[in-house]
Amino acid sequence: QAPLQQWGAGLLKPSETLSLRCAVNGGSFSGYNWSWIRQSPGKGLEWIGEINHSGSTKYNPSLESRVTISVDTSKNQFSLKLTSVIAADTAIYYCARGISASGTHRLDSWGQGNRVTVSS
Amino acid sequence: QSVLTQPPSASGTPGQRVTFSCSGGSSNIGSNTVSWYQQLPGTAPKLLMHSNNERPSGVPDRFSGSKSGTSASLAISGLQSEDEADYYCATWDDSLNTYVFGTGTKVTVL
Repeated sequence: QAPLQQWGAGLLKPSETLSLRCAVNGGSFSGYNWSWIRQSPGKGLEWIGEINHSGSTKYNPSLESRVTISVDTSKNQFSLKLTSVIAADTAIYYCARGISASGTHRLDSWGQGNRVTVSS
Repeated sequence: QSVLTQPPSASGTPGQRVTFSCSGGSSNIGSNTVSWYQQLPGTAPKLLMHSNNERPSGVPDRFSGSKSGTSASLAISGLQSEDEADYYCATWDDSLNTYVFGTGTKVTVL
């Protein structure tokens, strides 16, 4: 099994809520940050936010009002919810494992990606 | 609009050395280490370099990274066809309190 396996709805209508989950297969869940990143069609990468094993979150200010990242340590899973989606939220969404320490931050393992399309 | 700027493209022939930059500011590259990600066509990004110049296990030593002040660079020596990909720099931005990615550089092997 891939270290990170993600799933969720791929087609949404405007104003609906995007919901994705990511399972961590093997390895420790604690000691890492669990992140979501997206990539709009033909564009670069955008960090959405992260959560650590104890539930402390950080969000991209540009999305903070609509984003919730949560963790279920009993299942070694974490999830992303993005409310009130619009066409501009159409993207491939990736989950990733993050390692951070003083002055350093990296995403060392990525999920396979979920293509999400917002269209009426 | 990304706070980290990369050249949109770079190219070279097989065996050549290719280098490209990532330019930022005092609140991001100037204060934190830089990572680089390689994204092959149609796949998820993969960590290629971290802590400015540390290669994860399995990454060939043809890849090297450096940082000076508010800029970083990635070099690929002995360019190979399988190196054709998009490359993104990234680091934490203390002012934005956000992990920021560069604009990306598409490497083409001629």
